Amino acid sequence: ETAVFQTPNYHVTQVGNEVSFNCKQTLGHDTMYWYKQDSKKLLKIMFSYNNKQLIVNETVPRRFSPQSSDKAHLNLRIKSVEPEDSAVYLCASSRDWGGNYAEQFFGPGTRLTVL
Amino acid sequence: GDSVTQTEGLVTLTEGLPVMLNCTYQTIYSNPFLFWYVQHLNESPRLLLKSFTDNKRTEHQGFHATLHKSSSSFHLQKSSAQLSDSALYYCALRGGNMGYKLTFGTGTSLLVDP
Repeated sequence: ETAVFQTPNYHVTQVGNEVSFNCKQTLGHDTMYWYKQDSKKLLKIMFSYNNKQLIVNETVPRRFSPQSSDKAHLNLRIKSVEPEDSAVYLCASSRDWGGNYAEQFFGPGTRLTVL
Repeated sequence: GDSVTQTEGLVTLTEGLPVMLNCTYQTIYSNPFLFWYVQHLNESPRLLLKSFTDNKRTEHQGFHATLHKSSSSFHLQKSSAQLSDSALYYCALRGGNMGYKLTFGTGTSLLVDP
């Protein structure tokens, strides 16, 4: 099956803990993204990688750090979670960054709840 | 920077009536890509339509939209709403040089009643 996969589906943790989310795509794409979807359903880009290289790094707190081992994997680590980090984190990929291939395919998301 | 405006937060209409969801955008680039994504309950967003050609209608699954660069608009339309169209709809913009990033609007929830 070719798609974007994310683990875990849900994660509940306490303020100050460290969490890591994994994303893998089997679509053969070159570019991967992390988005945050908050409780109001606002969808905002956090990071973008092209062939393991960080391309886009939006203004996010420094406790967030992406990690890419190869172009099919993009993980997200949050060093010390805060209550405002509670959200759904969506991973996406696209074949390339430009031309007609900018369509992004989304994974199912990881719902983070910070107590 | 780039921005996308979706003026309606919630649109409620009766099955069978036409649908129109508004989307306008701002970018300094002359060749933007515009997208409509749909997100059903408990699912992730998926692409519904895309366009980069001025004044050309694009269609998919009964929905259509036309990119009008003169008015910076990319409104989503459907002639007859179905119950299954109830979902959250995002308009998104890819500006010229920011190829790695999509800017999403705030989303419009469409609720279709029987």
